[in-house]
Amino acid sequence: GEDVEQSLFLSVREGDSSVINCTYTDSSSTYLYWYKQEPGAGLQLLTYIFSNMDMKQDQRLTVLLNKKDKHLSLRIADTQTGDSAIYFCAERPMGGGATNKLIFGTGTLLAVQP
Amino acid sequence: GAVVSQHPSWVICKSGTSVKIECRSLDFQATTMFWYRQFPKQSLMLMATSNEGSKATYEQGVEKDKFLINHASLTLSTLTVTSAHPEDSSFYICSARVDSGRAGEQYFGPGTRLTVT
Repeated sequence: GEDVEQSLFLSVREGDSSVINCTYTDSSSTYLYWYKQEPGAGLQLLTYIFSNMDMKQDQRLTVLLNKKDKHLSLRIADTQTGDSAIYFCAERPMGGGATNKLIFGTGTLLAVQP
Repeated sequence: GAVVSQHPSWVICKSGTSVKIECRSLDFQATTMFWYRQFPKQSLMLMATSNEGSKATYEQGVEKDKFLINHASLTLSTLTVTSAHPEDSSFYICSARVDSGRAGEQYFGPGTRLTVT
């Protein structure tokens, strides 16, 4: 199957850490991505991780990948009000053909309280 | 780098008319571009993959005669919604895949909001 699931909503206080979770089903996925979408806007690529990696850190962002459980998470340290947005995880299955299309998750709305 | 633009940002049209949306990669070449549709509070639904110099590949359930895609150059793809109806009202987003990108990462345009009256 090609279902990528995320929890719908997460609320945190400014300065706290946020952890957004994602589960996917296609174990052949080579890359997994995190995108951010602000209201009325397109998607911004935040980071990605190759499937043979367990962790990747990029400034305030930490991506953890548990390939055995097909679980991906995005941790945002010192969350700011500007981080409020919808976050989508996406997988790139091996079977996507030459174009390697992405399968997007359902999206998690992150609300940061001041 | 890796900027993708879309034009127009929003459009309102009458039922039965056709609307063309442009997607441009501004500072990189993109052999492959993608067109998505997003309904309010929902995820992105891939409509089709646009290939430069060849026909687009449509996802199951997407009418190719209604959603015409042309990938005229390595930096431009267009989506034409023909004979638009109110149910076609949606947020249309394109993305472009960096040809030289190791991870095949896609960069997204800001989206076009289409309202059909």
